[in-house]
Amino acid sequence: DTGVSQNPRHKITKRGQNVTFRCDPISEHNRLYWYRQTLGQGPEFLTYFQNEAQLEKSRLLSDRFSAERPKGSFSTLEIQRTEQGDSAMYLCASSAPGQTLGNTIYFGEGSWLTVV
Amino acid sequence: AQSVTQLGSHVSVSEGALVLLRCNYSSSVPPYLFWYVQYPNQGLQLLLKYTSAATLVKGINGFEAEFKKSETSFHLTKPSAHMSDAAEYFCAVSSSNDYKLSFGAGTTVTVRA
Repeated sequence: DTGVSQNPRHKITKRGQNVTFRCDPISEHNRLYWYRQTLGQGPEFLTYFQNEAQLEKSRLLSDRFSAERPKGSFSTLEIQRTEQGDSAMYLCASSAPGQTLGNTIYFGEGSWLTVV
Repeated sequence: AQSVTQLGSHVSVSEGALVLLRCNYSSSVPPYLFWYVQYPNQGLQLLLKYTSAATLVKGINGFEAEFKKSETSFHLTKPSAHMSDAAEYFCAVSSSNDYKLSFGAGTTVTVRA
């Protein structure tokens, strides 16, 4: 059973450029989450999908951010016109269908973004 | 809405000593509580979780945590620290009507030889 896979693991980009991160969840996990983590802080929720439907978005997700999960499998997170404040680690996570009692959420290793 | 507060951003222990990491939660509905560990430049790994069954929860790597409703706490302990326990630890909360996790700010553990 492979875990949650994210790529690229590291991305350095110039301010104003667009970047896209990809997440492949654990097979058959229907829920997929994106979190952002800055240095010295805990992960902050960005958005969440159930299958292909984006069910919730945090106010942290400005209109420069867009996430998709077109076929209910992998997901992409795109950041347009990057700003230095976007520098962070972007974590993807997934959880299985069915169980509702404190579903375990499994995290990938994250994608580090540095905006210079 | 639910939230957690981790008391102490940094804990330093001697190898073989007790590890105690404190977490208090706030939730308007029965909470589900989690402890995750993060090693440098890696993602988060689940240590243990409380889902309204036994209040004393045992996890991986010798860690355990006790849910105390009266104190709204879910502190993490390990009787004897090992050098490999040096990492950052996060407490998190969710509930039956909210699938996402809300994390604390984390506690960094260093282990002295």
